Amino acid sequence: DGGITQSPKYLFRKEGQNVTLSCEQNLNHDAMYWYRQDPGQGLRLIYYSQIVNDFQKGDIAEGYSVSREKKESFPLTVTSAQKNPTAFYLCASSTGGGGYYEQYFGPGTRLTVT
Amino acid sequence: QKEVEQNSGPLSVPEGAIASLNCTYSDRVSQSFFWYRQYSGKSPELIMSIYSNGDKEDGRFTAQLNKASQYVSLLIRDSQPSDSATYLCAVNSGTGRRALTFGSGTRLQVQP
Repeated sequence: DGGITQSPKYLFRKEGQNVTLSCEQNLNHDAMYWYRQDPGQGLRLIYYSQIVNDFQKGDIAEGYSVSREKKESFPLTVTSAQKNPTAFYLCASSTGGGGYYEQYFGPGTRLTVT
Repeated sequence: QKEVEQNSGPLSVPEGAIASLNCTYSDRVSQSFFWYRQYSGKSPELIMSIYSNGDKEDGRFTAQLNKASQYVSLLIRDSQPSDSATYLCAVNSGTGRRALTFGSGTRLQVQP
């Protein structure tokens, strides 16, 4: 089955710890994205990558880091520098970049930091 | 002014009625427009994409685009209780960031 997987579904961490969220896709998509969603809010773009070994900051990149070493994988690290990390994190992918193509989402990771 | 604006709702319609969801955007060079459905606690699911002015129909869903007015809408015919969800409008940014910008969503409630 083709799709996007994110793990874990729920993640609990203590303040001051870095945490890495996994995102894998087997759709052969070039572009991948990370969004954050807070309760009652829309999606805000954290980072995106249009091709392997290249990525760009989105609107709220501070306190986050990413890597894109393989086409199918785009992990997101939430560092201790992120002031309000508790949120629903969504990974998406699309055939191409530029925001022109349809984006498909993984099931999300709900991160709680206390 | 927000880049993509939606009425947060809730929009309440009776079962079998037409639900009309609206979205306005600020970037005149935007080229692609999407509607996503998001059930509570779940990730967004793509239901429609539209690129040209006019209407695009898919089953009970019709997307309407008017680039001159910078307006995109989604009509849901014969609304069902299972359509109750938050509907997100997304627009590509055209220049600069080259990614989608999402509205905050409209919550739709279909009353049985």
